[in-house]
Amino acid sequence: DTGVSQDPRHKITKRGQNVTFRCDPISEHNRLYWYRQTLGQGPEFLTYFQNEAQLEKSRLLSDRFSAERPKGSFSTLEIQRTEQGDSAMYLCASSLQGFYEQYFGPGTRLTVT
Amino acid sequence: KNEVEQSPQNLTAQEGEFITINCSYSVGISALHWLQQHPGGGIVSLFMLSSGKKKHGRLIATINIQEKHSSLHITASHPRDSAVYICAVATNKLIFGTGTLLAVQP
Repeated sequence: DTGVSQDPRHKITKRGQNVTFRCDPISEHNRLYWYRQTLGQGPEFLTYFQNEAQLEKSRLLSDRFSAERPKGSFSTLEIQRTEQGDSAMYLCASSLQGFYEQYFGPGTRLTVT
Repeated sequence: KNEVEQSPQNLTAQEGEFITINCSYSVGISALHWLQQHPGGGIVSLFMLSSGKKKHGRLIATINIQEKHSSLHITASHPRDSAVYICAVATNKLIFGTGTLLAVQP
């Protein structure tokens, strides 16, 4: 198992464009989390899935953000009509249900120009 | 007030020094994580603990549930320990501190 992977690692986009990120969790993990981290800050929770069900969303997740995990495996995070304030590192993590140790992916760094 | 507070925010040490990073939290938790993040890099989990003390190599983590406080210690620090150390508490999700930027100088 290669751990949690994220794609792309870096994304530069112009304001107003849509972007989509992908996260592939560790295969037997049924919980998947998305976090956002801005420069100099700790990560902030965005949303999490248990299998394909999205169980919680932060109020940070505006209606421009949508996340899916259609088959309970990989997940996508889409940002529509990007704004400069969306520039951040987007981190994905996965864990086994009932266990709390989360394994993090390398992150996708988004720059909105 | 943040639910997870870390101190210090920045720390510079000389190689070989004993280092302590502190974390206080104000919510009920299932466990507490200490994480390491290198510049531009992903996050690596160092410890997950819910009571007592854990040791891994030169790293030691302790937690006092009654006082809602945890410490991360690094013995015989080395320049390769330079990184951001983040405390995160587990509810149904992780709530993170802002991190401690550690620089260990040779």
